Amino acid sequence: KNEVEQSPQNLTAQEGEFITINCSYSVGISALHWLQQHPGGGIVSLFMLSSGKKKHGRLIATINIQEKHSSLHITASHPRDSAVYICAVSWTGNQFYFGTGTSLTVIP
Amino acid sequence: GAGVSQSPSNKVTEKGKDVELRCDPISGHTALYWYRQSLGQGLEFLIYFQGNSAPDKSGLPSDRFSAERTGGSVSTLTIQRTQQEDSAVYLCASSAQWGNQETQYFGPGTRLLVL
Repeated sequence: KNEVEQSPQNLTAQEGEFITINCSYSVGISALHWLQQHPGGGIVSLFMLSSGKKKHGRLIATINIQEKHSSLHITASHPRDSAVYICAVSWTGNQFYFGTGTSLTVIP
Repeated sequence: GAGVSQSPSNKVTEKGKDVELRCDPISGHTALYWYRQSLGQGLEFLIYFQGNSAPDKSGLPSDRFSAERTGGSVSTLTIQRTQQEDSAVYLCASSAQWGNQETQYFGPGTRLLVL
């Protein structure tokens, strides 16, 4: 079974701060997804990574396959970034395993 | 265009009753996924469909859970003889193609409460 661990569990930041959320997994994977869940429950897929780095606006996601680790960075954080960020991994087929999420609060 | 829709949005039922949860994926999406999110817990994978076929049912928590998809579109998740531990938000997602590198689009979820 692939264990997926996220850190930190909770994070509070001041508006404008640079934020990093980490995800580690125990078994080699073929895909890693970062998801965002806003209060009220809606989930949005942010990134899919199989190697390297991706950037979308103020969000950057990286993955190190050898170290079985991924990071999600938010530059110039804003209160609207407040959400739960979830890491999901998959290695064969389409079954996904999820981290427990990182709850981010950005204070104005 | 329309996103993934789920119905009902909320369902309250009594222990022992059967419930059906419906998912309408984005039109043309081949792959469909069901997940569960219990209070204070992370997301849990239940089952996925490639077209109308579910290759892997190992994520279903017990034999009280079943799912089907017809016409490559709408899917129904059925829970028989509901138990209080079935209370959770049930989420559906779809993607254009099957494959773990495809972007999944999530529905708003069905919040199930078993009394």
